[in-house]
Amino acid sequence: NAGVTQTPKFQVLKTGQSMTLQCAQDMNHEYMSWYRQDPGMGLRLIHYSVGAGITDQGEVPNGYNVSRSTTEDFPLRLLSAAPSQTSVYFCASRPPGRKAYNEQFFGPGTRLTVL
Amino acid sequence: KNQVEQSPQSLIILEGKNCTLQCNYTVSPFSNLRWYKQDTGRGPVSLTIMTFSENTKSNGRYTATLDADTKQSSLHITASQLSDSASYICVVSLTGGFKTIFGAGTRLFVKA
Repeated sequence: NAGVTQTPKFQVLKTGQSMTLQCAQDMNHEYMSWYRQDPGMGLRLIHYSVGAGITDQGEVPNGYNVSRSTTEDFPLRLLSAAPSQTSVYFCASRPPGRKAYNEQFFGPGTRLTVL
Repeated sequence: KNQVEQSPQSLIILEGKNCTLQCNYTVSPFSNLRWYKQDTGRGPVSLTIMTFSENTKSNGRYTATLDADTKQSSLHITASQLSDSASYICVVSLTGGFKTIFGAGTRLFVKA
C-alpha cells in the first residue's frame, strides 16, 4: 500500500490564484481530513469527510473547498489564494469504526507559499 | 476551551541521553491521548495511544505516561539516537466522534 499520498510537494502561488491540492489513499478508509500546520501552532482541521459524497467544515474552513466523489480521493481547493494561507497542508485518513480511537495516517504534506 | 499545551517548545540533548517531554491538556470529554513523531518534511506518525484507564504505554525506547486526574502526559525517550531528532506532538481525542486537539509540539534535537 502507498498509504496517503499528496501532490504537489511544494507550490508557490501569487495572491488571487487558485489551485487544488491532491490527496489520495489506498487503504479504503472512509474518514479523510485536511489540516494546516503553522509555526508554533498545533495542526488545525480545515475540512473533513466521513465517506464519499459527505463533507463538513472543520475549525478553519474559510477560503477552502473540498469534495469527495470517491473513497480514495479528497482534493482541497484554494479559491483565491491569500498570504495568510501560506502553510504546510496535511491530508489524513482514518479506518472505519471506533471513531476517536482509530489512528490517523498522514500524508507527507504540501508546503504552500502565497506571495 | 479544549487545549493541549506542550513543553518545552524545543530541547537539545546529547546522543545517548534520556529526555522527557510534557503534555498538559484541558479536553472534555476525554477519549484517548496519542503521541506522534514528525520527522522534518514528513507527516506525523503515531507512537503510542492511551485511554483513560491506561497510565503507561511503551514503544521501544519511547514510554508514554498518562495521569488522567491531573490531565498530564509525558513522553520519555531512553538512550536517545540521532534519528530521534524530530517534533513530538501530543494529540487528545474527544469521545463520540472524530474531534481531535493537537498540541504545538516539542522540537527535539539530538546532537552527536
